[in-house]
Amino acid sequence: NAGVTQTPKFRVLKTGQSMTLLCAQDMNHEYMYWYRQDPGMGLRLIHYSVGEGTTAKGEVPDGYNVSRLKKQNFLLGLESAAPSQTSVYFCASSGRHDYEQYFGPGTRLTVT
Amino acid sequence: DAKTTQPPSMDCAEGRAANLPCNHSTISGNEYVYWYRQIHSQGPQYIIHGLKNNETNEMASLIITEDRKSSTLILPHATLRDTAVYYCIVRVFYGNNRLAFGKGNQVVVIP
Repeated sequence: NAGVTQTPKFRVLKTGQSMTLLCAQDMNHEYMYWYRQDPGMGLRLIHYSVGEGTTAKGEVPDGYNVSRLKKQNFLLGLESAAPSQTSVYFCASSGRHDYEQYFGPGTRLTVT
Repeated sequence: DAKTTQPPSMDCAEGRAANLPCNHSTISGNEYVYWYRQIHSQGPQYIIHGLKNNETNEMASLIITEDRKSSTLILPHATLRDTAVYYCIVRVFYGNNRLAFGKGNQVVVIP
């Protein structure tokens, strides 16, 4: 099992550009999450999904969109990147009755 | 979900037990205490969780006070690889499983 994987690992964008971050899990988990982490801060939840075809807003959803077309994938989109979105993005997944969330290795995004 | 309070940082000696405190005075009856840690530049890692009884696994022990308003994570024999930010989180067990991370406690294990 690869667990939770994230693509890409690093990316530099110019202000206004768009991109999609891909999260994939091979544990058949129902729940998936996108977090962002800024220097000196804990993780903040952006969006999450409780099942294929469903998404919901987290703590800091503005400027991001998500899609969960397949159970194993959770995509995070930035339609028009801003410098304030410079951050490290973590994806996580968990089963419906699991107490543990499994995290990916992160994507480091810089917006100039 | 109840909020938690942790010291921002602490040092501990390699080979000694590390006791990490957490206050959660507003915890409700159906909320569990969870601990995660994040080693530099990696994703967070689950350590342990508990409701009211003390818990132990291969990584750590969790001691919850009788009134459940505070808890202590114990790393029995700290190693340099235990240097990390430790997060204490309280939440209900079932539901959407969301985790609310605070700033955590930066623990540095000193040789």
